[in-house]
Amino acid sequence: DIQMTQSPASLSASPEEIVTITCQASQDIGNWLAWYQQKPGKSPQLLIYSATSLADGIPSRFSGSRSGTQYSLKISRLQVEDTGIYYCLQRYSNPLTFGSGTKLEIK
Amino acid sequence: EVQLVESGGGLVQPGRSMKLSCAASGFTFSNYGMAWVRQAPTKGLEWVATISYDGSSTYYRDSVKGRFTISRDNAKSTLYLQMNSLRSEDTATYYCTRDLTYDWGQGVMVTVSS
Repeated sequence: DIQMTQSPASLSASPEEIVTITCQASQDIGNWLAWYQQKPGKSPQLLIYSATSLADGIPSRFSGSRSGTQYSLKISRLQVEDTGIYYCLQRYSNPLTFGSGTKLEIK
Repeated sequence: EVQLVESGGGLVQPGRSMKLSCAASGFTFSNYGMAWVRQAPTKGLEWVATISYDGSSTYYRDSVKGRFTISRDNAKSTLYLQMNSLRSEDTATYYCTRDLTYDWGQGVMVTVSS
């Protein structure tokens, strides 16, 4: 099974700051990586697909990048509404595996 | 507007069975693979099973293989998850999703407890 090691587990930042969340895949997954945001009591929302493609309706403040088997989600100009838990997902092979999540708090 | 509406959850005793349904609307159901993802209370997301657009291929995580069956009725635009021999560790909110992309249901809670 492919392991997705996500970090940090939590972070706190102020509005307008920039934050980066990373996922390290245990093997090559190409660009088969997606990022989701989940707010309390809600379903996950797709932010990024194919490692770097912005999902429809998602602000351009969100961006994804890849360096080898390390994937990053960058959120620029943080807004209060960005509070939530962020997950990566590898879609390269079954079993599909999510990262453990990053809880983002806006100060 | 795409809608995915899960139903069939609730409280069930260990070892018993339960069947979840997900009624889809707003898109051509028969064109898309579908999946179930679950989330135990206060825990992260966990992929459960995937089914191809025509039902010919199915995939499961090891912990549910042989106990859970994903299926679909394209004529009814409905996805199913038959869960047998339920265990306490299956307690979770179960989400149906269109190919783990834009569209997710609101989730249905399954509690396995005596």
